Amino acid sequence: DAGVTQSPTHLIKTRGQQVTLRCSPKSGHDTVSWYQQALGQGPQFIFQYYEEEERQRGNFPDRFSGHQFPNYSSELNVNALLLGDSALYLCASSLSSGDEQFFGPGTRLTVL
Amino acid sequence: QQQVKQSPQSLIVQKGGISIINCAYENTAFDYFPWYQQFPGKGPALLIAIRPDVSEKKEGRFTISFNKSAKQFSLHIMDSQPGDSATYFCAANGLRSGTYKYIFGTGTRLKVLA
Repeated sequence: DAGVTQSPTHLIKTRGQQVTLRCSPKSGHDTVSWYQQALGQGPQFIFQYYEEEERQRGNFPDRFSGHQFPNYSSELNVNALLLGDSALYLCASSLSSGDEQFFGPGTRLTVL
Repeated sequence: QQQVKQSPQSLIVQKGGISIINCAYENTAFDYFPWYQQFPGKGPALLIAIRPDVSEKKEGRFTISFNKSAKQFSLHIMDSQPGDSATYFCAANGLRSGTYKYIFGTGTRLKVLA
């Protein structure tokens, strides 16, 4: 039973570019949340997707957007990249009715 | 009111000792409190979690103590081992009140000396 998977593992972009990160949830899970973790900090909630809709959003600008597909996988898109967007981006999956969130290994994004 | 305050920032413990990490929260709507372990370059892994209807939960060497009136909870790692050296995060959410997101503490970097 595969856990949460994310791709790519690492990514290097330059300022102003756009990036798409991908996540496949744990088998049986229908809800995906995205978090940003800066170096030495705790994860910060970006948004959560359920039934292909954004259910809740954290304090992130509109440059951050997402999508959930019918198979429950999800994408995180970030436009107009800034140096400050450099971080580990984590995807977590859960059941819509459950509290437990299981995290993937993350995508390390570096913006130059 | 959405914050979760975690202490200490770092901790050094001898092998076989007890590691204790503390967290405090303000939002009484929180009703689920997990602890995560994270190794460098990896995603957080769920260790143990508790709900406010119990004061303690134990799983192996890991114990959560929960004080609802003080709005505090702590992680105790018994017989700490060098392999426990990692960063630990507490978190909170309130699914039943519509807070789907986890609010994370700032993390505690634990080093267990051999």
